[in-house]
Amino acid sequence: SQQGEEDPQALSIQEGENATMNCSYKTSINNLQWYRQNSGRGLVHLILIRSNEREKHSGRLRVTLDTSKKSSSLLITASRAADTASYFCATSTSRGSNYKLTFGKGTLLTVNP
Amino acid sequence: DGGITQSPKYLFRKEGQNVTLSCEQNLNHDAMYWYRQDPGQGLRLIYYSQIVNDFQKGDIAEGYSVSREKKESFPLTVTSAQKNPTAFYLCASSIRPLSGNQPQHFGDGTRLSIL
Repeated sequence: SQQGEEDPQALSIQEGENATMNCSYKTSINNLQWYRQNSGRGLVHLILIRSNEREKHSGRLRVTLDTSKKSSSLLITASRAADTASYFCATSTSRGSNYKLTFGKGTLLTVNP
Repeated sequence: DGGITQSPKYLFRKEGQNVTLSCEQNLNHDAMYWYRQDPGQGLRLIYYSQIVNDFQKGDIAEGYSVSREKKESFPLTVTSAQKNPTAFYLCASSIRPLSGNQPQHFGDGTRLSIL
């Protein structure tokens, strides 16, 4: 199974509401990253949180990381229709000097106007 | 503006044919990557390159080949040995080779289909 798995697979909310997506992983990580993908486009990096950090903010985004539970959450506050996209978590792991970024299957967020 | 350019946006392959997907970056990044994305799935790493004239296999390299003759360019060839090539292909780059704490920058992808 994937190293990072997002939950839920799909989320539909009304504009102005908050959206919370979760990511669980299995092995120790160096950092965890969140990306956004609009339909038919490439991924856009949103935020990176290191393994020794617990919370990080960027604009309307808040990411938390709980290494004891091997989980992370992405909160988007006051959502807008333009936030409609797929959101992926990616975990950075290493073996010696080799690093690897592993992506989950994503959460499809729909924000209804 | 700096970025990653992938071409073509859509590509069709006939059975037994090799096709090459282009990826060019002007970000002066050392590392480049190719991923495959299937519907409803995450990204799977095909190949990556940490420096010019060097590249390594990712998780699903069979049926694919790459070259890295220039820092700016990392083309991917989908060979006839790849029996299920229909997918969305994404190219990415990062400042340093797999340093772990660097975000990756993505192009807008090439959608490959079989005729």
